[in-house]
Amino acid sequence: DAMVIQNPRYQVTQFGKPVTLSCSQTLNHNVMYWYQQKSSQAPKLLFHYYDKDFNNEADTPDNFQSRRPNTSFCFLDIRSPGLGDAAMYLCATSRVTGPYEQYFGPGTRLTVT
Amino acid sequence: GENVEQHPSTLSVQEGDSAVIKCTYSDSASNYFPWYKQELGKGPQLIIDIRSNVGEKKDQRIAVTLNKTAKHFSLHITETQPEDSAVYFCAASIRGNNDMRFGAGTRLTVKP
Repeated sequence: DAMVIQNPRYQVTQFGKPVTLSCSQTLNHNVMYWYQQKSSQAPKLLFHYYDKDFNNEADTPDNFQSRRPNTSFCFLDIRSPGLGDAAMYLCATSRVTGPYEQYFGPGTRLTVT
Repeated sequence: GENVEQHPSTLSVQEGDSAVIKCTYSDSASNYFPWYKQELGKGPQLIIDIRSNVGEKKDQRIAVTLNKTAKHFSLHITETQPEDSAVYFCAASIRGNNDMRFGAGTRLTVKP
């Protein structure tokens, strides 16, 4: 089945220790998104890629970076995680043309100790 | 930018009753309105969506209505079942724009 896959599902990192979250998709969608979702809140868009074009949200901290080496993969790098970065990180994809549904992965729950 | 408000934040209904969740949006250019269901520990899943050229859409027990003039849209779930218990998010975006704004979510509990 075509899908959005996120690894790992649970990640524990130490305060200040860089961490990378991974997302892959078999939908061949042009657009990939990263969202941060804190407990009992709506997903908050961090940035998205339209093919290789990177689009950062104005209020996304510099501590968050992303890479998209090819159509299928996208990575979220947190350079120096703080306690406030503990959250669920959701990856999503969508096509550029036609329907604009976003397809979400299961998320990675990040804990910062 | 777009601002989406969602009410209520929590909703508890008896199995078999109907549930209604309402959202308003601020940007009149928004033209795509999806609803997502998020179960505990999982990513949001699209359950129904509506585009601005349509006033209502139904899919079995789920329906969405859109009032463009008033800039609000609603999710209606009939004959609720315990498995409908989840957090529901509305969202709004502009077709051709990859920026989707979510409401704050509604935690629906269906009591057996």
